[in-house]
Amino acid sequence: AQSVSQHNHHVILSEAASLELGCNYSYGGTVNLFWYVQYPGQHLQLLLKYFSGDPLVKGIKGFEAEFIKSKFSFNLRKPSVQWSDTAEYFCAVNMRFGAGTRLTVKP
Amino acid sequence: KAGVTQTPRYLIKTRGQQVTLSCSPISGHRSVSWYQQTPGQGLQFLFEYFSETQRNKGNFPGRFSGRQFSNSRSEMNVSTLELGDSALYLCASSLAATASYNEQFFGPGTRLTVL
Repeated sequence: AQSVSQHNHHVILSEAASLELGCNYSYGGTVNLFWYVQYPGQHLQLLLKYFSGDPLVKGIKGFEAEFIKSKFSFNLRKPSVQWSDTAEYFCAVNMRFGAGTRLTVKP
Repeated sequence: KAGVTQTPRYLIKTRGQQVTLSCSPISGHRSVSWYQQTPGQGLQFLFEYFSETQRNKGNFPGRFSGRQFSNSRSEMNVSTLELGDSALYLCASSLAATASYNEQFFGPGTRLTVL
């Protein structure tokens, strides 16, 4: 069965800390990978996506993600978070979404 | 360009009733998908439509149904509402024939409360 797992439900960081959010999937066919973000009171919006090519993809607002095929993973990273990164982050594989990770950044 | 719009934004219903939610995609987008969002569960995929045809369907009971019109607008219907149907229902549109291969643009959602 297809599934997307986000292991961290709630992450709390201080400003300037580095961020890594995990995403693992179980899927037997071609995968197209996405990270979406939902800021408080706003719609879900795309952060970045991977279809093929360089497994390290860069998105908006300094986020990046690395596709590791052998580990079925697509982790999201940011070297230095800001208070404005406080949001919920969702990993998606094709049209299946994970449960989301809530990120709280303390000023 | 106007974004994805959903109506109504809020709904309160009682158990056993039925409800219809509406979604207008971004102009030019012909693919529309529906998701149920609940705390701790993330987004659960309901179904996807393209050119008035259902392309994909998630694991929801038959009480959940949808359709798409020739102008790409979509509706979803939930019959015989249960308390567990309380959720935020999100609609998303995409330029591709299936959103598996392209970015989705999400609407604000319809908050359904079942009493």
